[in-house]
Amino acid sequence: AQSVAQPEDQVNVAEGNPLTVKCTYSVSGNPYLFWYVQYPNRGLQFLLKYITGDNLVKGSYGFEAEFNKSQTSFHLKKPSALVSDSALYFCAVRDLNSGYALNFGKGTSLLVTP
Amino acid sequence: DTGVSQDPRHKITKRGQNVTFRCDPISEHNRLYWYRQTLGQGPEFLTYFQNEAQLEKSRLLSDRFSAERPKGSFSTLEIQRTEQGDSAMYLCASSLESFAEAFFGQGTRLTVV
Repeated sequence: AQSVAQPEDQVNVAEGNPLTVKCTYSVSGNPYLFWYVQYPNRGLQFLLKYITGDNLVKGSYGFEAEFNKSQTSFHLKKPSALVSDSALYFCAVRDLNSGYALNFGKGTSLLVTP
Repeated sequence: DTGVSQDPRHKITKRGQNVTFRCDPISEHNRLYWYRQTLGQGPEFLTYFQNEAQLEKSRLLSDRFSAERPKGSFSTLEIQRTEQGDSAMYLCASSLESFAEAFFGQGTRLTVV
């Protein structure tokens, strides 16, 4: 079985400060990990993914994420938050040993204040 | 190609009626997924197609739900005898490879009254 946990329902950060949105996963095989963002009344947009290789992956809009196998985590980060980053963020995992589904966490609401 | 498109965007139906949604994936993508999302939750996997073959169905997919992808291009999701609990956003996504990211449509919002 595979699962994803996003322990924070909401993260608040001031504009210009670094942000972190946490994600931990549980899989039986090697994970494929993804981050998506959802703005109000818009579809899910892909941000970045980890398949293999460097543990630090860079994605769209200045976001990056660090894969940590020992801690089974894939936290999303950005060095300097923008007000426009305020949105709902979803972590997702696929484990081909468990099937084809991309399993999503419950989501974390990010609020960046001016 | 402008991405994954879903039709209709909104659907209001009376309990007990049947509804059908359509998804047109990105043209070169042979993998297609259906998800359901309710308020405050992440998308929940419903079913997966590779070309025209339906390779995986979630246990969430009751026998009132059926999905097809007859020619390996567009897909339809039908819900028979709708219930109020079926009210949700139904999302379609497509991808090129199993390790590739999935691109999502804007969804069909179903309201059962």
